[in-house]
Amino acid sequence: QQPVQSPQAVILREGEDAVINCSSSKALYSVHWYRQKHGEAPVFLMILLKGGEQKGHEKISASFNEKKQQSSLYLTASQLSYSGTYFCGTPGAHGSSNTGKLIFGQGTTLQVKP
Amino acid sequence: NAGVTQTPKFRILKIGQSMTLQCAQDMNHNYMYWYRQDPGMGLKLIYYSVGAGITDKGEVPNGYNVSRSTTEDFPLRLELAAPSQTSVYFCAALGTQFTEAFFGQGTRLTVV
Repeated sequence: QQPVQSPQAVILREGEDAVINCSSSKALYSVHWYRQKHGEAPVFLMILLKGGEQKGHEKISASFNEKKQQSSLYLTASQLSYSGTYFCGTPGAHGSSNTGKLIFGQGTTLQVKP
Repeated sequence: NAGVTQTPKFRILKIGQSMTLQCAQDMNHNYMYWYRQDPGMGLKLIYYSVGAGITDKGEVPNGYNVSRSTTEDFPLRLELAAPSQTSVYFCAALGTQFTEAFFGQGTRLTVV
């Protein structure tokens, strides 16, 4: 089951904040976040692991609520370079292990204006 | 390190033709994936592999086949190309720690 992202699109001014949400109907072992610029491949931002460990980006943070099967990406003091489409990815879980089947949400398009 | 390399970058196929999209990685990652991305849409998983000799279907496998004879290579085969297969195809590789998936630069395929 594909994770569901919200909102579908966000328009910001430089310096404003944004939150992108990702929810799954299945139990999650970890959540990945990626950003894709137009015409380019997706690039890894961060991963959130069960138990709260977080690895990734310096200026972008995220949370992971295992019980609610949700993750949120927080973009603070946005810069023009933050523009792009953000995807959450869930590797799928079987018990306490990843299954390896990495599927993505439908994406959230973020546009940061000067 | 090159990471994940896809070839070709662009291809135009006629309806009914077949082709193989190549994907190679030099990171010794066990997990490899094929996604398709239609214009303005998200990434849909076609097939994935958890190691050499092991493949499994993703969300949209119809019309495609894969093989994984080595850790490095994960080719995607299109048989009897159809206009609905016009898309950008991405290959990705992920290590067993599941910390970061690396994507190739994509293959833009048009079926006419």
